[in-house]
Amino acid sequence: KAGVTQTPRYLIKTRGQQVTLSCSPISGHRSVSWYQQTPGQGLQFLFEYFSETQRNKGNFPGRFSGRQFSNSRSEMNVSTLELGDSALYLCASSPHREYTEAFFGQGTRLTVV
Amino acid sequence: AQKVTQAQTEISVVEKEDVTLDCVYETRDTTYYLFWYKQPPSGELVFLIRRNSFDEQNEISGRYSWNFQKSTSSFNFTITASQVVDSAVYFCALSEAIGANSKLTFGKGITLSVRP
Repeated sequence: KAGVTQTPRYLIKTRGQQVTLSCSPISGHRSVSWYQQTPGQGLQFLFEYFSETQRNKGNFPGRFSGRQFSNSRSEMNVSTLELGDSALYLCASSPHREYTEAFFGQGTRLTVV
Repeated sequence: AQKVTQAQTEISVVEKEDVTLDCVYETRDTTYYLFWYKQPPSGELVFLIRRNSFDEQNEISGRYSWNFQKSTSSFNFTITASQVVDSAVYFCALSEAIGANSKLTFGKGITLSVRP
């Protein structure tokens, strides 16, 4: 069974641009969450989707948005990139929201220059 | 607000030593869930354990054991007879919701280095 797949693995963008990151959950998983990991702030929750609906949102500005498709694949978008958005973005999936374990992808390393 | 504190930032041990990773949490919820994750150099977080606030029973799984004490708001993790493959960053996390894919509040992580 394939794990959580995040694409691309690495990305370099310029300040002011926008970026879209993709997450394909494990087949059959309907819950997807996103996290930002930086050396300074650590791991911070961005949002959670279940059955195409955003169920929970972290404390991030509106420049950060996401969506989930009917096949449970998810995308997150960051507009007007800032240097501080440089981070590892991790996606996690689980079969449903109450499941004990979440399975993480290897992340997308975004560098903003 | 929820908070997880991992006071240790880096620990270095020699193979076969026992090592304990500390985790202290803060929450006003009476129902909450605690997690430990491991992050190897490849980047993905690997789930290790989940405990709920109603169950203070300690748990042992192979070389891993966990000590949950509500009285001190601590959820410590011990690796017995450490191995080089245990080298990773270990995160403690807290959630008010039952699912591991709900909003998790993570500690800053502890970098464990196990030397041969």
